[in-house]
Amino acid sequence: DAMVIQNPRYQVTQFGKPVTLSCSQTLNHNVMYWYQQKSSQAPKLLFHYYDKDFNNEADTPDNFQSRRPNTSFCFLDIRSPGLGDAAMYLCATSREGEGYNEQFFGPGTRLTVL
Amino acid sequence: DAKTTQPNSMESNEEEPVHLPCNHSTISGTDYIHWYRQLPSQGPEYVIHGLTSNVNNRMASLAIAEDRKSSTLILHRATLRDAAVYYCILNSGYALNFGKGTSLLVTP
Repeated sequence: DAMVIQNPRYQVTQFGKPVTLSCSQTLNHNVMYWYQQKSSQAPKLLFHYYDKDFNNEADTPDNFQSRRPNTSFCFLDIRSPGLGDAAMYLCATSREGEGYNEQFFGPGTRLTVL
Repeated sequence: DAKTTQPNSMESNEEEPVHLPCNHSTISGTDYIHWYRQLPSQGPEYVIHGLTSNVNNRMASLAIAEDRKSSTLILHRATLRDAAVYYCILNSGYALNFGKGTSLLVTP
């Protein structure tokens, strides 16, 4: 089945130690997104890629960066994780970016910062 | 971005219909009305979307008011697996701006 895959499902890192989360998709979608969901809150968009074009949300901290080496893969890099970065990180894809496009979400990676 | 207003929580009995309301009085002409749901410990899942006309799919129905300022997601027969947070989202581009959603409790 076509899907969005996130690895690992659970990630533990130390305060200030860089961490990378990965996402892959078999849907061949043009757009890939990263959302952050803190405990008991709604998901919040961090950034997205349309093909290789990177689009950052205005309030996404500089500590968060992303790479998309090819259509299938997208990475979220947190350069110096703080305790406040503990959250579920969700990857999603859509075929295009127009408002009628549905987004397909992965299961998420739960990040713990010690 | 146009905002949506949903009740914090709703409760339904199993196998009964559920009507989840959403108000979006500041909706613009290019906004599609999307519904997603999120089961515990899972990523959000697309349910349905529409622009002006009512829509049906295998999961649910979406009823859109004539002035588009409100909509209702209809689950025809709720099951225990439908217990989730349901998000009503207006989407005119890339970002899904999730609000707080409605937490649906389904009781046997």
